[in-house]
Amino acid sequence: QSALTQPASVSGSPGQSITISCTGTSSDVGGYNYVSWYQQHPGKAPKLMIYDVSNRPSGVSNRFSGSKSGNTASLTISGLQAEDEADYYCSSYTSSSTLYVVFGGGTKLTVL
Amino acid sequence: QVQLQESGPGLVKPSQTLSLTCTVSGGSISSGSYYWSWIRQPAGKGLEWIGRIYTSGSTNYNPSLKSRVTISVDTSKNQFSLKLSSVTAADTAVYYCARGFGVFGGGMDVWGQGTTVTVSS
Repeated sequence: QSALTQPASVSGSPGQSITISCTGTSSDVGGYNYVSWYQQHPGKAPKLMIYDVSNRPSGVSNRFSGSKSGNTASLTISGLQAEDEADYYCSSYTSSSTLYVVFGGGTKLTVL
Repeated sequence: QVQLQESGPGLVKPSQTLSLTCTVSGGSISSGSYYWSWIRQPAGKGLEWIGRIYTSGSTNYNPSLKSRVTISVDTSKNQFSLKLSSVTAADTAVYYCARGFGVFGGGMDVWGQGTTVTVSS
């Protein structure tokens, strides 16, 4: 069981927008502005898409955006493209016992 | 640009120690305010953070693995390593090394391609 809760799957049509949620607690998502999001295509290594809740690394499309409210963080992808079909993972620091990183269980995005 | 490459045995016997090395190329492991992490992913499952090390030697580990994990760095070889003791079949996974930035925030922006480790007799 993952420390952060994500929906198992989401889907959308090309051009639409989708949002993936990531729910934690006040010890992780709610306690720090340190949520990051990773995209993983099958058989590939994860790729950092968002860090510190809403910052995009250089080279990441501005179609990807992040936000947070309370204990829930969200990743929004606008203008869906076929290449966006992948697994998405959120992560956060947690201080529940000691400082370390926790991931969500992952969300499979299907572009219809 | 910085690239990471994992190496090590693909098959480890139960109760033995899994040992992996990550070689950093295209830049010095000591430059910049980066940390160096290990993450694993069982087949068909999600990501699990194992731990990280700074070139100062400071480490943080996942509490669920802490009693069995050691991460070390060799700046002279531009490498960092993972040792996981007393392995079982549950440790079978793809193991990734990654570069991270930010002491608390930030993220892991450069990843190795991953190496599959199977625990079996």
